[in-house]
Amino acid sequence: KQEVTQIPAALSVPEGENLVLNCSFTDSAIYNLQWFRQDPGKGLTSLLLIQSSQREQTSGRLNASLDKSSGRSTLYIAASQPGDSATYLCAVNGGNTDKLIFGTGTRLQVFP
Amino acid sequence: KAGVTQTPRYLIKTRGQQVTLSCSPISGHRSVSWYQQTPGQGLQFLFEYFSETQRNKGNFPGRFSGRQFSNSRSEMNVSTLELGDSALYLCASSPGASGIYEQFFGPGTRLTVL
Repeated sequence: KQEVTQIPAALSVPEGENLVLNCSFTDSAIYNLQWFRQDPGKGLTSLLLIQSSQREQTSGRLNASLDKSSGRSTLYIAASQPGDSATYLCAVNGGNTDKLIFGTGTRLQVFP
Repeated sequence: KAGVTQTPRYLIKTRGQQVTLSCSPISGHRSVSWYQQTPGQGLQFLFEYFSETQRNKGNFPGRFSGRQFSNSRSEMNVSTLELGDSALYLCASSPGASGIYEQFFGPGTRLTVL
């Protein structure tokens, strides 16, 4: 059974810091991995999608890496801003489950 | 291109009632998946519809059902509501079968059961 874990559960940093969010999964037979952002009470915004054949994807200040063999992904946020405050979720897709399996999320607060 | 839309955005029901939620996918997307989000259980997969057929199903009781129409719009129905059904219900659409493609989420329907 696929299990997805995110560490840390919560993170509070001052504006301008570079930070890393971690995601690990137990079954490496995945099609892809997605990182999402969720603001309180809102839906999910897709940030980055990494296919199983890729090592990383970049979008603006965000960079996500994938090491499928070790079951790990990281989301790197450069020069964090208060507007980055949200919950960040990773989800793995496919493999034995053929559906999105979500981690529990990392709640990020960036203070001025 | 318009995003995924969900209606209604908020619902308040009482125990024992039933409810129907609606999801309109991004134009051209043929797959719609539904998820339940609660503080205790996080995001859990309910089911996926692709070309009007249920393609995949999560571990939820039979009170939860859905369907998809020929225009790819989907509805989810919950019968005999329980307090524990209070949650944010999210739908996501993708161009094809959800196991391969990026999924795009709607804003959700907040269901409160009293």
